[in-house]
Amino acid sequence: AQSVTQLDSHVSVSEGTPVLLRCNYSSSYSPSLFWYVQHPNKGLQLLLKYTSAATLVKGINGFEAEFKKSETSFHLTKPSAHMSDAAEYFCVVTSSNTDKLIFGTGTRLQVFP
Amino acid sequence: EAGVVQSPRYKIIEKKQPVAFWCNPISGHNTLYWYLQNLGQGPELLIRYENEEAVDDSQLPKDRFSAERLKGVDSTLKIQPAELGDSAVYLCASSPKLVGTDTQYFGPGTRLTVL
Repeated sequence: AQSVTQLDSHVSVSEGTPVLLRCNYSSSYSPSLFWYVQHPNKGLQLLLKYTSAATLVKGINGFEAEFKKSETSFHLTKPSAHMSDAAEYFCVVTSSNTDKLIFGTGTRLQVFP
Repeated sequence: EAGVVQSPRYKIIEKKQPVAFWCNPISGHNTLYWYLQNLGQGPELLIRYENEEAVDDSQLPKDRFSAERLKGVDSTLKIQPAELGDSAVYLCASSPKLVGTDTQYFGPGTRLTVL
């Protein structure tokens, strides 16, 4: 069985400071991992994905994530938060034996001026 | 390139009424998904189509929910009759290939409120 756990339901940062959104996964098979972002009243947008290539994955808008198998983690980071980063972020897992995306419960990121 | 289109964006109905949602995927995308997103939760898959065929509908409550994807393009999701607990956002997504790890592209969703 596969699952993801997003360790923080809310994260608040000041503009210009680093962002860390934490995600741990569980998968019996080699996982593929994704981060999606959801702005209010907009569709989910893919930030980045890991599919067994480089463990450090760079995405859009300056975000990146590192796949750490030993820690079963896939944390999302950004060096400097922008006001426009305020949104809901979802960590997602799937694997080669299934076509189903399993979403975490989401982390709401607030960015203060 | 146009994204996934969904309509309506918002729908308010009374319980026991029927409701239908429509999705137009990105042109050329073979795989189409319907998800349910409850408030404060991540989306959960309801049904997945590969072309016209529903290949995974294990999470679709078949007593009141139905879906179709005629001609392998547009899709409609229906609820009849709606219940209070069906209030949620219904998301449609599509992906270009018949491979699970391909990126899924999501529409903006239909927010359903059942009174």
